[in-house]
Formats: sequence, structure tokens, C-alpha cells
Amino acid sequence: SQTIHQWPATLVQPVGSPLSLECTVEGTSNPNLYWYRQAAGRGLQLLFYSVGIGQISSEVPQNLSASRPQDRQFILSSKKLLLSDSGFYLCAWSVWGLGGAGANVLTFGAGSRLTVL
Amino acid sequence: GQNIDQPTEMTATEGAIVQINCTYQTSGFNGLFWYQQHAGEAPTFLSYNVLDGLEEKGRFSSFLSRSKGYSYLLLKELQMKDSASYLCAVRENTGGFKTIFGAGTRLFVKA
Repeated sequence: SQTIHQWPATLVQPVGSPLSLECTVEGTSNPNLYWYRQAAGRGLQLLFYSVGIGQISSEVPQNLSASRPQDRQFILSSKKLLLSDSGFYLCAWSVWGLGGAGANVLTFGAGSRLTVL
Repeated sequence: GQNIDQPTEMTATEGAIVQINCTYQTSGFNGLFWYQQHAGEAPTFLSYNVLDGLEEKGRFSSFLSRSKGYSYLLLKELQMKDSASYLCAVRENTGGFKTIFGAGTRLFVKA
């Protein structure tokens, strides 16, 4: 069966510090990978998605970046955090393909709650 | 661009039926999803519609009208544990099959 791991679960960082959130998927090959952010009481905002190693699509301009160094590893980074970067970060994976719910149902990791002070 | 609208909050009584509506405008529509999210947790998949009509899964049903850009999630025999946010999401056929979410509807189930 497939599993997704995301860490750290919570972190408190000062403004201007760097960030690295990591996500790994097990039990599947060549998944689509996604990073979403959810501000308090808000919906999910798509930040990045990737259809393969080294292939990253950015959805919104920001001081965050993403990398996919291996097929089942997705990393979210920042060189200098802003207060507005606080939120609940969710990594998700889906299986490539057309049609059928199973083809692209998103399965989420447990999330990383970031507080920037 | 994409636009997904759903009510911010709804309240219903235990044992009752509630319908949560969602309207969307998007290019390259490739399916509509409903996810449930309890406070502080990650969303979990509830239902999927890609063709017009009703899909039923136990107490939950979801309807889609592509021509109207409209969907609803129907929850029957409400239970207290159904208190959660319900997220409407649209998948776009834009290479990466990205999924865009609405802001979610917070449902409060009262005794």
C-alpha cells in the first residue's frame, strides 16, 4: 500500500530564517506531487506541483521554492521566511492518468504547521 | 482563471440532511472532487464526479452539472462526527492535472 510521510509536523521559525519541509511517498512510482498551503480558516492554495524528477510548476509568485531530487521525494524550501509564510503546509500525491477517481485522487500527508514569528 | 465558490458555514441538526453547494468556473475541466477536513487534520477524499449526474456512496452523495458549473454534496443522517470542513475541488487538464480547491464550507452539526 502507498504511504506518504511529511516532516516536521510543527515548527516555529523567526522571520528571515530558512525553511525546509520534506515529503516522501512509498509504494508507488512516478507520482504527481503537490505542495499546498492553508492559512488559518482558509482553503488550500496550490503552491507547486511536479509530474516528474526535476519538473516543478509554480502556481503563485512567492519566496518559496520546491525541488524533486528523487522520484518520490518533494522538498519545499525558503531562504528567508516572511510572517505571511505562516500556515499549514500539506504535501500530496496522486497517480498519473486520465479518467477514473483513482487516477488523480489526492492523498495528503499529515501536514506541517509553520509559525513564523 | 479558476473560481470556485461555496458557502462559508452551514449548521444542521443531527439526523437531518444537508446539501452543500459549489459553483465553479475553470478551463480544461477534468473532474470535481469533494474532500472532508476535520480541524487540524489533512483533507480526505469523499467523492468524485466527472460526468453529469449523481454519485452515491453510503450517506454521502455528490451531484454534477457540467453545463451549469455546479455541484453539490448531500449528507444524509447527519452525525456529530460529520462536523468538519467540506472542500470542493476541480481538477484541470493542464498537463499536470492540478487540483484547485474552494475555500471550504464549515459544517456544524448540533444535537
